[in-house]
Amino acid sequence: AQSVAQPEDQVNVAEGNPLTVKCTYSVSGNPYLFWYVQYPNRGLQFLLKYITGDNLVKGSYGFEAEFNKSQTSFHLKKPSALVSDSALYFCAVRDPSGGYQKVTFGTGTKLQVIP
Amino acid sequence: NAGVTQTPKFQVLKTGQSMTLQCAQDMNHNSMYWYRQDPGMGLRLIYYSASEGTTDKGEVPNGYNVSRLNKREFSLRLESAAPSQTSVYFCASRAGTANYGYTFGSGTRLTVV
Repeated sequence: AQSVAQPEDQVNVAEGNPLTVKCTYSVSGNPYLFWYVQYPNRGLQFLLKYITGDNLVKGSYGFEAEFNKSQTSFHLKKPSALVSDSALYFCAVRDPSGGYQKVTFGTGTKLQVIP
Repeated sequence: NAGVTQTPKFQVLKTGQSMTLQCAQDMNHNSMYWYRQDPGMGLRLIYYSASEGTTDKGEVPNGYNVSRLNKREFSLRLESAAPSQTSVYFCASRAGTANYGYTFGSGTRLTVV
């Protein structure tokens, strides 16, 4: 069975500081990994994905994520946080060796960027 | 650039009432999904449709039914609403291959009293 964990319910960071939102996963095969962002009263928006290749992937709004196979992690990062980055962030994983449609979402991490 | 459109945005039902949540996408995506979002539980898959004419159960299908009316539309029906179905419901779609991300609608906030 595949699973994904976001160990922090909330992350607070000062504007201009680097931010990290953590995600770890468990799959039996090689994972497909995704990050989504949800602003208040909106649906989730796709940020970035890792399928294969370079372990550092870049996405929308200046975000990037680093895939670490040995630590089974896929942490979301941004060099300099903006107040507008405040939102709910979800990590998701799919095991390609499993069901075609099976994507598991984490429980979400609320990012608060303090002016 | 409508993407995924869900109606209604808000609904209050009494226990036992029925209703249908509507979802339409204009991106010519093959796959469509219904998720529910509850505090502290992330998103859980209710039903999905890999292509027009097919539907399958997800993690939490009990109490729900779906219809893939055509390639654009995928509806979710609650036959007899229960308070446990109070949630925010999201419809999503995806292009054919599994390494694409989802496109989500803006959600339906359902309260069952």
